[in-house]
Amino acid sequence: ETGVTQSPTHLIKTRGQQVTLRCSSQSGHNTVSWYQQALGQGPQFIFQYYREEENGRGNFPPRFSGLQFPNYSSELNVNALELDDSALYLCASSPPRSGITYEQYFGPGTRLTVT
Amino acid sequence: GNSVTQMEGPVTLSEEAFLTINCTYTATGYPSLFWYVQYPGEGLQLLLKATKADDKGSNKGFEATYRKETTSFHLEKGSVQVSDSAVYFCALSDRGGGNKLTFGTGTQLKVEL
Repeated sequence: ETGVTQSPTHLIKTRGQQVTLRCSSQSGHNTVSWYQQALGQGPQFIFQYYREEENGRGNFPPRFSGLQFPNYSSELNVNALELDDSALYLCASSPPRSGITYEQYFGPGTRLTVT
Repeated sequence: GNSVTQMEGPVTLSEEAFLTINCTYTATGYPSLFWYVQYPGEGLQLLLKATKADDKGSNKGFEATYRKETTSFHLEKGSVQVSDSAVYFCALSDRGGGNKLTFGTGTQLKVEL
């Protein structure tokens, strides 16, 4: 069984540029969540996608946007990059909703550096 | 809003020592509680979970008990190994909040020979 995969592994961008990060969910998982993890901090929730629609959003500006595709893979887009956007971006997928615990399984992350 | 507070690290222990990492939470509903572990250069791995009061989650020798009366979910292990060196994150998921995870700031554990 293939776990959550993310691409690219590392990325360097310049302030003001745009970036797209990609995530393939674990087989059978239909919900994808994105998190930002700054150095030395815990992950912060950006947003979640379920059945191709945004299903909850954290305290991130609109220049953070996303998509989910019919195969449940997902993209995170960040426009007008700022230096503070430098972080590890984590994607997590969850299985179809059954029971009371929605476990999330994380990918290895994409390290974004903005210069 | 929801929040998670963890003890600050780094925590440095000798191999075979007893480990406790404290975690307390604030939540409006009845959250599920998790411990995740992050090894250097990697993403997060689910270590254990508990979904209701008095539940005990356990995995790989680690344990944590969901204490509603003290709003705590402390992580324990009886005998740590060098391979346990990592950053440990306590997290909660409030079902009313759309299943997003709220994390603590993480506790770095270093185990020495």
